[in-house]
Amino acid sequence: EDQVTQSPEALRLQEGESSSLNCSYTVSGLRGLFWYRQDPGKGPEFLFTLYSAGEEKEKERLKATLTKKESFLHITAPKPEDSATYLCAVQGSAGNNRKLIWGLGTSLAVNP
Amino acid sequence: EAGVAQSPRYKIIEKRQSVAFWCNPISGHATLYWYQQILGQGPKLLIQFQNNGVVDDSQLPKDRFSAERLKGVDSTLKIQPAKLEDSAVYLCASRLPTGELFFGEGSRLTVL
Repeated sequence: EDQVTQSPEALRLQEGESSSLNCSYTVSGLRGLFWYRQDPGKGPEFLFTLYSAGEEKEKERLKATLTKKESFLHITAPKPEDSATYLCAVQGSAGNNRKLIWGLGTSLAVNP
Repeated sequence: EAGVAQSPRYKIIEKRQSVAFWCNPISGHATLYWYQQILGQGPKLLIQFQNNGVVDDSQLPKDRFSAERLKGVDSTLKIQPAKLEDSAVYLCASRLPTGELFFGEGSRLTVL
């Protein structure tokens, strides 16, 4: 069964303390892995798409990487404004697997 | 470029009453989704439209939920009659051909 598991559920960092969020997935034929950021009371905001193992993408303090089994969202020197829930979603490439499968998210809090 | 528009932002109703949510996707986006998001969880797909046709409504509780996208542009999601467990945020999203979803701010429903 297709599955996405995110860890940790919650993470609290001090400003400037770098860390990584994990997204482990099981899918038949990866079509794409997506990272989103969600602020309280708002809809998810698109961050990155990764398509194949070894791919990396960066945006400001965020860097997403992908292997055949998991993706990491690395946060370098985070600031309080990076506090949000980070969601991972995976899309397979065949039949019903083309549906997006969502993780439960990692709630990140960055203290000043 | 205008984003995905949703209304109302907030709605409080009694159980067994009805409610309707409206969504106008990003111009030119053929694929539109309605998701239900309960606090602390990832989005759950209710229905996916491609233009004005339904692609996937397998998780839509059809005894009480209905959705339409008559002209292939804006869409309405209706709940009748509402139950307590329908309290959630209802998110509308439209999609780029490359797979990225763009979400509206959501409609928060409270059923008393």
